[in-house]
Amino acid sequence: DAGVIQSPRHEVTEMGQEVTLRCKLISGHNSLFWYRQTMMRGLELLIYFNNNVPIDDSGMPEDRFSAKMPNASFSTLKIQPSEPRDSAVYFCASRLDSLNEQFFGPGTRLTVL
Amino acid sequence: TQLLEQSPQFLSIQEGENLTVYCNSSSVFSSLQWYRQEPGEGPVLLVTVVTGGEVKKLKRLTFQFGDARKDSSLHITAAQPGDTGLYLCAGRDDKIIFGKGTRLHILP
Repeated sequence: DAGVIQSPRHEVTEMGQEVTLRCKLISGHNSLFWYRQTMMRGLELLIYFNNNVPIDDSGMPEDRFSAKMPNASFSTLKIQPSEPRDSAVYFCASRLDSLNEQFFGPGTRLTVL
Repeated sequence: TQLLEQSPQFLSIQEGENLTVYCNSSSVFSSLQWYRQEPGEGPVLLVTVVTGGEVKKLKRLTFQFGDARKDSSLHITAAQPGDTGLYLCAGRDDKIIFGKGTRLHILP
């Protein structure tokens, strides 16, 4: 198994541009988590899906952020418009609920200039 | 708001020494997990503790969950350069909360 796949690995963009981050879950897993990691705030949960349904989006910073799961194996996190304070490493993680273990992807390092 | 405080934030020690890092909260968690994260990668789960007072061992790493399920410790015996990384604790109740981590550097 290839594990959780995230793309792109690095993204540099200018303030105001739209950014789309992508995540492919491990086959058979049914929960997906999007996290943001910064030195100041550590690892923060943004949103959590279970069986394609958003369960908890209370960590989504503001309306500029949106996440979707168009199918059971794929998710996107979109930031529109992006701002410099969005610069961070964004991780997705997938889980098979019966195992209580999250498997993290390698992350996308986002820099907004 | 649930918070997990990890200490120390940074630790640099010589190979062969022992060390303990801590994860503390004022909240009770149903379970607590420890992860290790290396540069450029996502966190990887090391252990899950569920029962108050529980102790788990993973080779040279010993994890303990506090009796009240509010805190945990990670003890490493005879640290090696391969132990270098960011150690994160995560508490789970209705949500998953991560601490900011302890950045450990083992000098050869």
